[in-house]
Amino acid sequence: EDQVTQSPEALRLQEGESSSLNCSYTVSGLRGLFWYRQDPGKGPEFLFTLYSAGEEKEKERLKATLTKKESFLHITAPKPEDSATYLCAVPGSSNTGKLIFGQGTTLQVKP
Amino acid sequence: DTEVTQTPKHLVMGMTNKKSLKCEQHMGHRAMYWYKQKAKKPPELMFVYSYEKLSINESVPSRFSPECPNSSLLNLHLHALQPEDSALYLCASSQDSTGLTEQFFGPGTRLTVL
Repeated sequence: EDQVTQSPEALRLQEGESSSLNCSYTVSGLRGLFWYRQDPGKGPEFLFTLYSAGEEKEKERLKATLTKKESFLHITAPKPEDSATYLCAVPGSSNTGKLIFGQGTTLQVKP
Repeated sequence: DTEVTQTPKHLVMGMTNKKSLKCEQHMGHRAMYWYKQKAKKPPELMFVYSYEKLSINESVPSRFSPECPNSSLLNLHLHALQPEDSALYLCASSQDSTGLTEQFFGPGTRLTVL
């Protein structure tokens, strides 16, 4: 069964304290992995797409990496405005276009 | 431009009302989606339209009725909803429905059913 697990559920950091969020997946033949940021009461905002193991993408303080079993979202020197829920998702193996989402990691960055 | 727009932002309706949610994208995307999201949960897929045809219905109750009038517009018609249908309803679009291209989400409609 396709499954995506994110850890930790919640993360509290001090401003400037770097850390990583984890997204592990079990899906037949990974065809891509997506990272989203979601602020409370708003729609998810697309961040990154990763297609193959070893691939890395960066945007400001965020860097996403992918291995054959998991993806990491590294946050370097975070600021309070980075506080949000971060979601990862993979296409299901049924080839229908359905995304399998993790439960998300809620990040709080304190000044 | 990666914008998906949704109206209204908020909607309060009684269980006997009929209302509609609207979604629009001008990115030339050929796949459009409706999701339902409850608090502290990830989005839950409801419907997928590919090239204006319904391709996935995730066993959604018939009180939710989707419609795709053209390649840029997506509607969700609501009738006789239940209080447990209260949630954030999200529209999304992507280049195609293979699942290999990123989906862009709208801001959502916060629905409250009394």
